[in-house]
Amino acid sequence: AQSVAQPEDQVNVAEGNPLTVKCTYSVSGNPYLFWYVQYPNRGLQFLLKYITGDNLVKGSYGFEAEFNKSQTSFHLKKPSALVSDSALYFCAVRTSADRGSTLGRLYFGRGTQLTVWP
Amino acid sequence: DSGVTQTPKHLITATGQRVTLRCSPRSGDLSVYWYQQSLDQGLQFLIQYYNGEERAKGNILERFSAQQFPDLHSELNLSSLELGDSALYFCASSVVGFGNTIYFGEGSWLTVV
Repeated sequence: AQSVAQPEDQVNVAEGNPLTVKCTYSVSGNPYLFWYVQYPNRGLQFLLKYITGDNLVKGSYGFEAEFNKSQTSFHLKKPSALVSDSALYFCAVRTSADRGSTLGRLYFGRGTQLTVWP
Repeated sequence: DSGVTQTPKHLITATGQRVTLRCSPRSGDLSVYWYQQSLDQGLQFLIQYYNGEERAKGNILERFSAQQFPDLHSELNLSSLELGDSALYFCASSVVGFGNTIYFGEGSWLTVV
């Protein structure tokens, strides 16, 4: 079965400090990895994705993520956190192993609440 | 703005009732997905349609059903509602291909009282 784990329910960081939100995955087939962010009372907004190629991908709002195949991880990072980054972050994966896989659904982690303190 | 439109944004209804949630996908997207977000269950995949046909089913209750119409909009029907059905229901859409992003709407908040 496909699964995504976000080991931390909550991450707290001071403004200006670097932040990391962790994600590991377990899939059969090739993984295609995504990060989404949800602000209070809002929908899921796409941040970035890894499909192939360079293991370090850059996304919206200064976020980046590093794909590590050997550790099956896709951690989200930002060099300098902002108070406005406070939100709920979801890691998600699609896999080539899903039947009809080019239309494959996303499997989500349970989310990590990021709080950035001023 | 993701381009995925969901209506209504908020809905309050009584137990035992039936509601319909509507979704208009992004222009050109043939695939529509429905997800349920609740505090205790997180984001649960319900069902997926592609160009009018059901393609994948997740944790969708028998009381729930969905369809995608020829104009590609989709509806999620929830019947015999229970208190536990209170949740945020997301619609998402995409084009074919692993590398393509799945875009989500703002969601429909359902409260069952």
